[in-house]
Amino acid sequence: AQTVTQSQPEMSVQEAETVTLSCTYDTSESDYYLFWYKQPPSRQMILVIRQEAYKQQNATENRFSVNFQKAAKSFSLKISDSQLGDAAMYFCAYRLNSNFGNEKLTFGTGTRLTIIP
Amino acid sequence: DAGVTQSPTHLIKTRGQQVTLRCSPISGHKSVSWYQQVLGQGPQFIFQYYEKEERGRGNFPDRFSARQFPNYSSELNVNALLLGDSALYLCASSYIRTQYFGPGTRLLVL
Repeated sequence: AQTVTQSQPEMSVQEAETVTLSCTYDTSESDYYLFWYKQPPSRQMILVIRQEAYKQQNATENRFSVNFQKAAKSFSLKISDSQLGDAAMYFCAYRLNSNFGNEKLTFGTGTRLTIIP
Repeated sequence: DAGVTQSPTHLIKTRGQQVTLRCSPISGHKSVSWYQQVLGQGPQFIFQYYEKEERGRGNFPDRFSARQFPNYSSELNVNALLLGDSALYLCASSYIRTQYFGPGTRLLVL
């Protein structure tokens, strides 16, 4: 079974600084997707960034980028120029790539990010 | 375009009752998944439906059931509610391997 581990329950960063959130996962598969979702106090789960395992290039979305290390099964999220609106719970998630099968997302336990003004 | 919508937003039930939660996917999305998120934890997968067929089921008891309608909307039913069923229930629709979540239904079982 696939598992996702987020070893940092809480992180804090000064506004405008850079912070990196860690995620490791365990799978025997080679074709899968990894995601970072953000859940602010409103509780709506918002997609931050997506990485396809067969792509070696790390995904980037504006101030958000990932460091995907497939061999090490590591998938960290870097937030540059942190803003107050980035404060939220961040979840790392894994799903197997399957054309007609299960789309199940396996989530980590989350990292609560605090932005210090 | 409207995002995933869920109703109701909040619900209070007592033990032993039954509850139905509803979800409308983003227009054009044919797959709907349901997750349970207990306070302080990551979401846990309950069901996934595609074109009205069940494609996946998580490790939940038979008290949990779901269905998908021809317009791709979905319902999650939970029978014989237990205190431990208190949680945020999230619905997601998917497109190109990516799931987009609704705002959730917060269920409190007393």
